[in-house]
Amino acid sequence: GAVVSQHPSWVICKSGTSVKIECRSLDFQATTMFWYRQFPKQSLMLMATSNEGSKATYEQGVEKDKFLINHASLTLSTLTVTSAHPEDSSFYICSASKDGRNTEAFFGQGTRLTVV
Amino acid sequence: AQSVAQPEDQVNVAEGNPLTVKCTYSVSGNPYLFWYVQYPNRGLQFLLKYITGDNLVKGSYGFEAEFNKSQTSFHLKKPSALVSDSALYFCAVRDRGSSASKIIFGSGTRLSIRP
Repeated sequence: GAVVSQHPSWVICKSGTSVKIECRSLDFQATTMFWYRQFPKQSLMLMATSNEGSKATYEQGVEKDKFLINHASLTLSTLTVTSAHPEDSSFYICSASKDGRNTEAFFGQGTRLTVV
Repeated sequence: AQSVAQPEDQVNVAEGNPLTVKCTYSVSGNPYLFWYVQYPNRGLQFLLKYITGDNLVKGSYGFEAEFNKSQTSFHLKKPSALVSDSALYFCAVRDRGSSASKIIFGSGTRLSIRP
């Protein structure tokens, strides 16, 4: 398999502050990474597709100015939740596939965000 | 548009009995199909995939899945369940385009194995 590392695994922040979550592919390059959000006892909702060196592609209904995505290198994508509010509290998960192979994706361990 | 359905929110099985977690899909063309497992507060772990070839796919931890094109199903199975198999299971589909193609997940099925 391949390893995707996500950091931090959990974070608590105050309303109005911003939080950055990192997603790294440790042993492979990933031109594309994906960010998901998961509510309790629910499935994964795709938020956006992160593209190395270009703008992210956001799913319908996802605020791009609130969820800033940067994919500056072939092994790192970041998601920044800006001006966080309690309703942003959720489990955020990233994934990546090995370049040139569009088969399975590998997932980070997830980040539990709690906004107080 | 692609979609994946997992009709059962929860499946309860006694340890040692066979288990089946159902999945049906709706796509255009021939997608890739996957099963993932999620333990509490963790990311998803890849179990198995169907790409092409043999309809019966074997994966991690003794799991297998059968691809049925006519019924557009990809049910997950295991001959003998273990308590440690208790977790949340997701079926997923991906277009055969590129590594940029999205993976769409089903709603998930919680598998509970009683001792």
